[in-house]
Formats: sequence, structure tokens, C-alpha cells
Amino acid sequence: DGGITQSPKYLFRKEGQNVTLSCEQNLNHDAMYWYRQDPGQGLRLIYYSQIVNDFQKGDIAEGYSVSREKKESFPLTVTSAQKNPTAFYLCASSIRSTGAGELFFGEGSRLTVL
Amino acid sequence: SQQGEEDPQALSIQEGENATMNCSYKTSINNLQWYRQNSGRGLVHLILIRSNEREKHSGRLRVTLDTSKKSSSLLITASRAADTASYFCATDAGQAGTALIFGKGTTLSVSS
Repeated sequence: DGGITQSPKYLFRKEGQNVTLSCEQNLNHDAMYWYRQDPGQGLRLIYYSQIVNDFQKGDIAEGYSVSREKKESFPLTVTSAQKNPTAFYLCASSIRSTGAGELFFGEGSRLTVL
Repeated sequence: SQQGEEDPQALSIQEGENATMNCSYKTSINNLQWYRQNSGRGLVHLILIRSNEREKHSGRLRVTLDTSKKSSSLLITASRAADTASYFCATDAGQAGTALIFGKGTTLSVSS
């Protein structure tokens, strides 16, 4: 089945450690996105990529890094520089690369910093 | 920056009743979308309404858009317990190099 796979679903990290969240899609979509969601909050954009080897910062990119070496993959690294990384992270993709269009979401990764 | 603001933040109704959620936004849009999120899950796209459309229907969903007031509403008719979820509006400026901007959502609880 086509879709977006995020892993791991749950992740625990000690302070000061970097952690990488995986996002893979087999929808042949050009654009991919990372959003962060805090309890009772909406989604805030971290990074997005409209084409391989290119990506743009969103509203809250500080403390995060991404890469887009393959069309199917858009991993997110939460670095030790991110002051409050405990959150629910959502990856999404869309077929369009101009404007956003309809987004298809993964099931999310919940990161807890101990 | 969060463009869309949903109202109310939370809504509790009985099965069979209608649920109305509102969304206001700040800047010009190409389209506005509504998404649903079950607790702890990813978001699912419900409906998209373009800036030149005023109303759109999909099953028990009815969406309106008033670009002069920069607002949209989502109506769910004959609600069911399975409609319990959070609902988000998202705006698309439609320009190259942009992404959807989401509001904070309305949490709907439908009791049987």
C-alpha cells in the first residue's frame, strides 16, 4: 500500500543527545514536510523540501536539521541545540511542489527527552 | 506563524447533533483545507475549498469559505461517536516555495 512511514513511533532521549526520526514515502510525491505538534497546539512547520537535494526552513527550524538525498526519504535530526524537543513529530508529503496541495501524513513519532 | 485560528477550541455534543467549527485566517489564500486527527495519530485530509468557491460538500461534511471575511466553517451533520477527534484548518497561499499553515484546532467530543 502507498503511504508514509515514520519510525520510530516512540523515542526516548537523554538530554544532550542527537536523535534522527525517519520518514519514508512511496507515493512518488515531490514535496515532503516536517511539523511539530505540542499538546493542545496546532502544527508548526520545521522544515520542508520540494525537490531532492533542496529544503527550506520553516517557522521553528532552530535546533533541527534535515536532508533530502532521495525522493522517498526526508529524515529529521533533533539536535542537542533544540531546547525543548519533547513533542509529537509529524511527517507529510504532497504531490505538488508549487503551493502545498493536499498533504498525506504519517502516524507520527513521539519524542520524549528524559 | 499560525495563520488559521479555529473556534471554538473544544466542542461537546450528543450523537445526531450537528457540529460547527470556524476558522479565521489573516492573509490571502489559494485554498483552505480541513484535516482530522484522532488522538495520537497522524492527520487525515477531509476537504479542500478553493478561494473562488463559496461552499463544498463531501458526505456529511459541508465547508463554506468567505474570503471577504477571511473565514471558513466546517459543518458535520448528524454527528457520530466516531467523529470524536481534533479538526484543523490549514491555509495554502498557493505560491512556489510555500507550505500549509495550520491552526490550533477544535477538539470535538461526540457522546452516545
